[in-house]
Amino acid sequence: AQKITQTQPGMFVQEKEAVTLDCTYDTSDQSYGLFWYKQPSSGEMIFLIYQGSYDEQNATEGRYSLNFQKARKSANLVISASQLGDSAMYFCAIYGGATNKLIFGTGTLLAVQP
Amino acid sequence: DAGVTQSPTHLIKTRGQQVTLRCSPKSGHDTVSWYQQALGQGPQFIFQYYEEEERQRGNFPDRFSGHQFPNYSSELNVNALLLGDSALYLCASSLGTRTGYGYTFGSGTRLTVV
Repeated sequence: AQKITQTQPGMFVQEKEAVTLDCTYDTSDQSYGLFWYKQPSSGEMIFLIYQGSYDEQNATEGRYSLNFQKARKSANLVISASQLGDSAMYFCAIYGGATNKLIFGTGTLLAVQP
Repeated sequence: DAGVTQSPTHLIKTRGQQVTLRCSPKSGHDTVSWYQQALGQGPQFIFQYYEEEERQRGNFPDRFSGHQFPNYSSELNVNALLLGDSALYLCASSLGTRTGYGYTFGSGTRLTVV
């Protein structure tokens, strides 16, 4: 079975600073994908970044980067130059194996302070 | 390009009643997955529909059922509502059943059972 663990219920960061949101995963599959989603108060899950298990380089999407450490089963999200609009819930998720579904963690609430 | 549309946005029902939630997938997508997100939790997979058939199901009782129409839109039905069914119900569409990377989520339906 696959599992995602997010140990930070909430995080504060000052505007324009960088922040790292932690995510560890557990899977017995060789091929899998790791995702980060942002969920503002409106409820929509917004895709941020994706890392495939066979990708050798860390994924980057604008201000978002994924620090992928396969041996440690870690997939931390780094947001550089935080903006007030980054305040939201952030979810790490895994997809792969024989299942056609995303497994989500419990999320981290990020608050960006001016 | 229209994204995923869910209706209604909010709903209040009484215990024991039945409810139907609706989802129109993103243009070009043919697969619909439903997730339940309880307060303070990550989304949990309910089931997935492709070619008008339920392809995979999560750990949810038979009170939860669904349907997919020829135009790829989908309904989620919940019978004999319990207080614990109160949650945000998210619909995600994709092209094909094994494209976790290509998920697009709607803004969800907030169901409150009283």
